[in-house]
Amino acid sequence: DIVMTQSPDSLAVSLGERATINCKSSQSVLYSSSNENYLAWYQQKPGQPPKLLIYWASTRESGVPDRFSGSGSGTDFTLTISSLQAEDVAVYYCQQYYGTPYTFGQGTKLEIK
Amino acid sequence: QITLKESGPTLVKPTQTLTLTCTFSGFSLSASAEGVGWIRQPPGKALEWLALIYWDDDKRYSPSLKSRLTITKDTSKNQVVLIMTNMYPVDTATYYCAHRTYTSGPFDYWGQGTLVTVSS
Repeated sequence: DIVMTQSPDSLAVSLGERATINCKSSQSVLYSSSNENYLAWYQQKPGQPPKLLIYWASTRESGVPDRFSGSGSGTDFTLTISSLQAEDVAVYYCQQYYGTPYTFGQGTKLEIK
Repeated sequence: QITLKESGPTLVKPTQTLTLTCTFSGFSLSASAEGVGWIRQPPGKALEWLALIYWDDDKRYSPSLKSRLTITKDTSKNQVVLIMTNMYPVDTATYYCAHRTYTSGPFDYWGQGTLVTVSS
């Protein structure tokens, strides 16, 4: 199984400041033939299902604000929120879909400082 | 617009079998590349992928739970069913179904989830 490890487990950031969440996979999720990273980021607010934010490591899902961006390749990835808004308080998960079993990170809880 | 909704019992006893149904709209599981998966989340914990079925009846299971899981589809009813045998209290979780396209990658649409509690 590909193990996904996020850091930090929790994060407190002031409104308007940058938030950065990291995700590391135990093996590469870069598919060489397509040069795509099979990595997604989700946002989950209390009592709600996860919401897809980013896929292919850096492609924003339709309707997702451009303050959310994803970067990285191979085994190391980052989700960045450029200017934190109050509505961004949530738990964020990375997920690899390179191969089964599809695995998620343990989650990073983002709060307002 | 794609929507999915989970249904099933909210309470099961230990050793019983859980049957969950995902009813969806906005796509057809007879169309090429379409898939529906199940993911669960114990209270306060992370997400865990369980199973996935594709339009061509290709089925994938979590290796750690494979012996307990069965996933099937009923294309005419736009439904996917997940059966999990021998339920334990540790299986208490919110169970989600979600849409995935074989070529596009992640789970892009999710149901609201259904909380299943395992307790005597």
